Amino acid sequence: GAVVSQHPSRVICKSGTSVKIECRSLDFQATTMFWYRQFPKQSLMLMATSNEGSKATYEQGVEKDKFLINHASLTLSTLTVTSAHPEDSSFYICSAVATAGTNYGYTFGSGTRLTVV
Amino acid sequence: GESVGLHLPTLSVQEGDNSIINCAYSNSASDYFIWYKQESGKGPQFIIDIRSNMDKRQGQRVTVLLNKTVKHLSLQIAATQPGDSAVYFCADSPPGYSTLTFGKGTMLLVSP
Repeated sequence: GAVVSQHPSRVICKSGTSVKIECRSLDFQATTMFWYRQFPKQSLMLMATSNEGSKATYEQGVEKDKFLINHASLTLSTLTVTSAHPEDSSFYICSAVATAGTNYGYTFGSGTRLTVV
Repeated sequence: GESVGLHLPTLSVQEGDNSIINCAYSNSASDYFIWYKQESGKGPQFIIDIRSNMDKRQGQRVTVLLNKTVKHLSLQIAATQPGDSAVYFCADSPPGYSTLTFGKGTMLLVSP
C-alpha cells in the first residue's frame, strides 16, 4: 500500500526562526502533494498544492513568502515556515497523490505538530 | 465538505450500537468522496470511498451512502467499538485528483 512519511512529528521553535517539514512518498511517486493546516477541534484547511518541478499553488489567504513549498522530486515535498510566530503553531499535514497508473488516491502523512514559543 | 466550522459536533454511542455520521458537501462537480478517521495527533486514515456513479458502498463494518440530489454523504458503522472513537471527516474531490475539500468533522465517542 501507499505510505507517506512526514517528518518531524513534533517541533518546537523560537519566534523568528524557520522550520522545515518534510513529506516523502515511500513506495510510490507523487505527482501532486498537498499541504494542510489544522487547528484544534477544526477541520483540515488546504494551504497549497504542489506539483513536482513547478511552483506551488497557494489557497487564498495563505502567504506564499511565509510558507515556502518545494517539490523538487516525485517523492519529496517540503514546507518551510519562515519567521515563525506563535500564531503559526498548528498541526500541519501533507498528502500525496500517486502518478498515473496506480489506484492509491490520496495518502496522508502522520502530521507535524508545530509549537512556536 | 462544507466550509470549516469552529465547533466539532459530537456523537456519543454505546459499544455495540450502530453509528451514523452525516456530512454535506457543496461542490456539485465533485465525483469522488472519502471518509477519513482521525485520532488525536495523527493524520487522517482512509476508511472508505465512493464515486458519484454509485449511491452505496460497503466495507468491513462500514457503509457509505451518497445522495447526489441533496449533496449528502453518510457513514454507517455497525457494532461500534471503543476503538472507533475518533473524529470522522468526509472529503470530496472534483475529477482529476485535484483539491480535496474536508467537511467539518464529527467526533464519535463510544462508551464501553
